[in-house]
Amino acid sequence: KQEVTQIPAALSVPEGENLVLNCSFTDSAIYNLQWFRQDPGKGLTSLLLIQSSQREQTSGRLNASLDKSSGRSTLYIAASQPGDSATYLCAAPDSSYKLIFGSGTRLLVRP
Amino acid sequence: ETGVTQSPTHLIKTRGQQVTLRCSSQSGHNTVSWYQQALGQGPQFIFQYYREEENGRGNFPPRFSGLQFPNYSSELNVNALELDDSALYLCASTPGGTGGLETQYFGPGTRLLVL
Repeated sequence: KQEVTQIPAALSVPEGENLVLNCSFTDSAIYNLQWFRQDPGKGLTSLLLIQSSQREQTSGRLNASLDKSSGRSTLYIAASQPGDSATYLCAAPDSSYKLIFGSGTRLLVRP
Repeated sequence: ETGVTQSPTHLIKTRGQQVTLRCSSQSGHNTVSWYQQALGQGPQFIFQYYREEENGRGNFPPRFSGLQFPNYSSELNVNALELDDSALYLCASTPGGTGGLETQYFGPGTRLLVL
């Protein structure tokens, strides 16, 4: 049974800092790993999807990595900005393709 | 290209009532998934519809039911509302029938409050 965990639950950093968000999963037979952004009270926006055959994916200042053997994924945000403040969620599909989400990391980037 | 839309945006109901939430999938998408997100938690999968048939269900009781129409829009119905049903309900659409294997496109959600 796939379980997804995100630590820490909240993070506060000054503007301009590079930061890493962590995501752990229990079933290494993973199809893919997806990262989403959620602004308060809003829906989710897909940021990156890493297939199981890939090690990383990049989009602008975002870079996501996947290490199946250790059951970990990281989302690296370069040169953080106040507009990056949001909750970041990771998710992986289970054996029946249902997406299993972590509880998210709430990021605050201080000006 | 129109994105995923949901209606209504907010809803207040009382315990025991019934509610219907609606979702229009993104153009060209034939699969809709529904999620429940409690405050401070990640979304939990309720069920998925592919070409008008339910093809996956999470750990939710039968009072949560759904429907998908020929234009691939979808409804989520919840009967006998309980206080714990208060949450943000999200729908997501994908172009194929494999849900979690594809990039999911989410709507803005419906905030349901049960009093």
